[in-house]
Amino acid sequence: NAGVTQTPKFQVLKTGQSMTLQCAQDMNHNSMYWYRQDPGMGLRLIYYSASEGTTDKGEVPNGYNVSRLNKREFSLRLESAAPSQTSVYFCASSAGRGTGSYEQYFGPGTRLTVT
Amino acid sequence: AQSVTQLDSQVPVFEEAPVELRCNYSSSVSVYLFWYVQYPNQGLQLLLKYLSGSTLVKGINGFEAEFNKSQTSFHLRKPSVHISDTAEYFCAVSDYNTDKLIFGTGTRLQVFP
Repeated sequence: NAGVTQTPKFQVLKTGQSMTLQCAQDMNHNSMYWYRQDPGMGLRLIYYSASEGTTDKGEVPNGYNVSRLNKREFSLRLESAAPSQTSVYFCASSAGRGTGSYEQYFGPGTRLTVT
Repeated sequence: AQSVTQLDSQVPVFEEAPVELRCNYSSSVSVYLFWYVQYPNQGLQLLLKYLSGSTLVKGINGFEAEFNKSQTSFHLRKPSVHISDTAEYFCAVSDYNTDKLIFGTGTRLQVFP
């Protein structure tokens, strides 16, 4: 099992460019999440998806969109990148509510720099 | 609303010394509690979790944590640290009604030889 995979690992964008971060999990999990990690701020939830076809905003959704393409894949799109979006982005998944398993499993992260 | 406070942003310690990383939470409902570890340039890995039952929880790599409901704390401890324990440690909380986690700001543990 690969667990949670993310592509790309690194990306440099110019202000105003767009890009999509890809995430996939092979654990048959229901819930998937996108976080950003900034120094001294821990992990902040951008968007999450409790099941295929549903998405909800997290703590810091502005400037981002998401798509739960199927049960395995959850992508994060930056339509017009800004320097404030320079961060490390993590995707995570969990079995979901009602399953008795509450921990989240994390991907290796994408380091994004916006100049 | 739930929140998590990690009281120390950095904890320096010598190898083989004991360490405690502190975590306090606030919540109006019953919670699940987690500690994650992040090694440099990697994702987060679960160290241990408290869901119910015994308040002393043992995790991987010799770490343990104690849930104290009256003090709303979930401190992480290790009796003897190793250089390889150098990493950032995150405390997180979720409640019974959601599968979202709220993370603390992290504690950087630096182990010196």
